[in-house]
Amino acid sequence: KNEVEQSPQNLTAQEGEFITINCSYSVGISALHWLQQHPGGGIVSLFMLSSGKKKHGRLIATINIQEKHSSLHITASHPRDSAVYICAVRLLWGGSQGNLIFGKGTKLSVKP
Amino acid sequence: ETGVTQSPTHLIKTRGQQVTLRCSSQSGHNTVSWYQQALGQGPQFIFQYYREEENGRGNFPPRFSGLQFPNYSSELNVNALELDDSALYLCASSFDRDRNTEAFFGQGTRLTVV
Repeated sequence: KNEVEQSPQNLTAQEGEFITINCSYSVGISALHWLQQHPGGGIVSLFMLSSGKKKHGRLIATINIQEKHSSLHITASHPRDSAVYICAVRLLWGGSQGNLIFGKGTKLSVKP
Repeated sequence: ETGVTQSPTHLIKTRGQQVTLRCSSQSGHNTVSWYQQALGQGPQFIFQYYREEENGRGNFPPRFSGLQFPNYSSELNVNALELDDSALYLCASSFDRDRNTEAFFGQGTRLTVV
């Protein structure tokens, strides 16, 4: 079982829809990152969370440390939001000395 | 644009050859991490460099090696290339290994081994 699980793996939405992507993890973490990867490959950091909720434009990220779960929400989705969204956690102890463990990503396609 | 630059962007090599990938970190960042992303998978941690020293390594064989320079730029070297080494290689720089600072990623180098 992967230490970081994302759902769904693939998501197709109509423009304007509200979108939720989920991330569950099974390890102790010091922070969780939401990242966006476009087809060219480059990764952009959207949020880094250790508690609560953050908002940036149409994007909202929440984390529940007790339940080891985070969600990324996109309001009023647009075709330019089409990308792969990746959840990554920074380990609290040991392992790779605090480096990131990634989920497999959620491929989002927003149709006009 | 993140300020993290990787070169080259694409590369084709033959099995058994050696390759060097380069990463220039964001100004002020002293920590560089390298990741391998196979097609359809999330990135996997290769190793991290902090102030020119290796500071943690993932589950990759010794033929994956690295270097960090005094200006904190970094190289990833892979010897005796195998077909399975074909992947997108990402580097990420951050301010400090011990703090929860954001990681800034480069565009990646897409390596194809034939």
